[in-house]
Amino acid sequence: LAKTTQPISMDSYEGQEVNITCSHNNIATNDYITWYQQFPSQGPRFIIQGYKTKVTNEVASLFIPADRKSSTLSLPRVSLSDTAVYYCLVVSSSASKIIFGSGTRLSIRP
Amino acid sequence: DSGVTQTPKHLITATGQRVTLRCSPRSGDLSVYWYQQSLDQGLQFLIQYYNGEERAKGNILERFSAQQFPDLHSELNLSSLELGDSALYFCASNERGGPEQYFGPGTRLTVT
Repeated sequence: LAKTTQPISMDSYEGQEVNITCSHNNIATNDYITWYQQFPSQGPRFIIQGYKTKVTNEVASLFIPADRKSSTLSLPRVSLSDTAVYYCLVVSSSASKIIFGSGTRLSIRP
Repeated sequence: DSGVTQTPKHLITATGQRVTLRCSPRSGDLSVYWYQQSLDQGLQFLIQYYNGEERAKGNILERFSAQQFPDLHSELNLSSLELGDSALYFCASNERGGPEQYFGPGTRLTVT
């Protein structure tokens, strides 16, 4: 399982775009990059997953450069309710075992 | 609401006791996963079942066991409980496996 490195914490303000970068130098060919969001005392929630280039859904965008050694989760126009821990995971499509690291604690201020 | 249900929501018990946590996956999901989240260990994968069979094992203690029943609900049994077993226990499910999993609301276990 590829190890990921992401910032421990980030702060931003309402209405801003937030970009959280994750490093995964040892990503394998069949690995996907997956992001989860977790609010206190709640289960993690799947946000987005991608293999290369750019993926966008109604919640976020995921940017993956050609070498796939890093990825950036972009949250457009954040609100206070986006305050949460964000986990970057690198997992093969058939994997059962998911390793959650420490995540990035995102705090949004008014 | 992910569609995954877990009971009970809270559980308080004493050291040495045994408890059972229950999980009902989303309709149609065959895979069930169990995770433990404590303050000092983060979110740890315990075990996965697929259609009644154990598929993958993580950091699950020998005092812990799980099973998945024919109706696809799953139970996590924790025995000889210790103070350090106090944690949030999450169940997740998906159709066949893979990283996109749907988590339940969790069971908060407090061992006193």
